[in-house]
Amino acid sequence: DAKTTQPPSMDCAEGRAANLPCNHSTISGNEYVYWYRQIHSQGPQYIIHGLKNNETNEMASLIITEDRKSSTLILPHATLRDTAVYYCIVRVYSGAGSYQLTFGKGTKLSVIP
Amino acid sequence: NAGVTQTPKFQVLKTGQSMTLQCAQDMNHEYMSWYRQDPGMGLRLIHYSVGAGITDQGEVPNGYNVSRSTTEDFPLRLLSAAPSQTSVYFCASRSTGGSEKLFFGSGTQLSVL
Repeated sequence: DAKTTQPPSMDCAEGRAANLPCNHSTISGNEYVYWYRQIHSQGPQYIIHGLKNNETNEMASLIITEDRKSSTLILPHATLRDTAVYYCIVRVYSGAGSYQLTFGKGTKLSVIP
Repeated sequence: NAGVTQTPKFQVLKTGQSMTLQCAQDMNHEYMSWYRQDPGMGLRLIHYSVGAGITDQGEVPNGYNVSRSTTEDFPLRLLSAAPSQTSVYFCASRSTGGSEKLFFGSGTQLSVL
């Protein structure tokens, strides 16, 4: 299974871009990278996912390196409400056409006023 | 459109008691799953289901039973609660069209004394 490595915590000034790194050096060619976040004790919230190309949506941008061994989630203008734990996940095939998402410990992002 | 609804939000049990955590979704999602989250940890998959009548084990299934009699509901049963099952439980659902965009409930905080 492809594993991910994330820094345990990061700070970001309000209004600045937050760049959250993730290493997934054992990722296979057909495995997707997903990002979720969990605000305080709420249920996790989907942010974005990608395979090879960079992706952007209304919440964030996902930059995947050409060798796919690492990726960066970018929150372009962080606000206090973006303070959360961010999970980088590689989709794992569990057989019979089913895939699972394995959540690690993530990165605790603190947005500072 | 309520999304994923979990009940109860809080529960205190004594060791050996049984109870059922309820999960319902109104998005007609085939896939449903249960995770537990312990302090400072990521989420761990307990059981999942890819459709009515089909269930399978996740990473930490021991001590938990599930069934899926309808598309909407996926209850989690603790037959004989143990202190090690003190945790926050999250239910999640998604479509089975290939995307892993999971929708999570707000969680059930369970304490077993």
